[in-house]
Amino acid sequence: GESVGLHLPTLSVQEGDNSIINCAYSNSASDYFIWYKQESGKGPQFIIDIRSNMDKRQGQRVTVLLNKTVKHLSLQIAATQPGDSAVYFCAEIDWANSGYALNFGKGTSLLVTP
Amino acid sequence: NAGVMQNPRHLVRRRGQEARLRCSPMKGHSHVYWYRQLPEEGLKFMVYLQKENIIDESGMPKERFSAEFPKEGPSILRIQQVVRGDSAAYFCASSWDTEAFFGQGTRLTVV
Repeated sequence: GESVGLHLPTLSVQEGDNSIINCAYSNSASDYFIWYKQESGKGPQFIIDIRSNMDKRQGQRVTVLLNKTVKHLSLQIAATQPGDSAVYFCAEIDWANSGYALNFGKGTSLLVTP
Repeated sequence: NAGVMQNPRHLVRRRGQEARLRCSPMKGHSHVYWYRQLPEEGLKFMVYLQKENIIDESGMPKERFSAEFPKEGPSILRIQQVVRGDSAAYFCASSWDTEAFFGQGTRLTVV
């Protein structure tokens, strides 16, 4: 069936470096994408979203890039901080077929070392 | 705004018992979603509800699981005759439009 998956299960970066977390999706009808951050023992926390009619969206220290041609999504975190250590999930919505149901990938664990 | 409130945070049940998980959405939110998360896994959609209506239950197991969102009170996810495989974290999210806010989850352990 359709799925959302991540290329790298774990990522270790040094404090101050930039981080890039990648996500592949297979549902070409997906039209809304969200990145979530989940810290241990907590619920997912919204980071940034992007609609399918956009290629790039920037937030505070984060940028999401969407390449619909290859069905790829990435999250860039600038000047990574220890507080960024968490599991990051990409999620997608196919409004027409699935409504509000978010389809989550497995997650990438980001570890920021001092 | 207290955010999405889930209780209990931790729930232990013996095999065959019933588990009731509660979710109070954020104030003003009329959409509620339930997700299940296994260790080292992403969240799997279970059900989407609006007040007194189940909109999409395509992710719900066909047996033993049910959900409701009554006119008054929290949304309830009910698991009857629990088995060990039901052990997981269950997250509730609510939204008014597109952005969904998640609760802290209920961690169900079946012994």
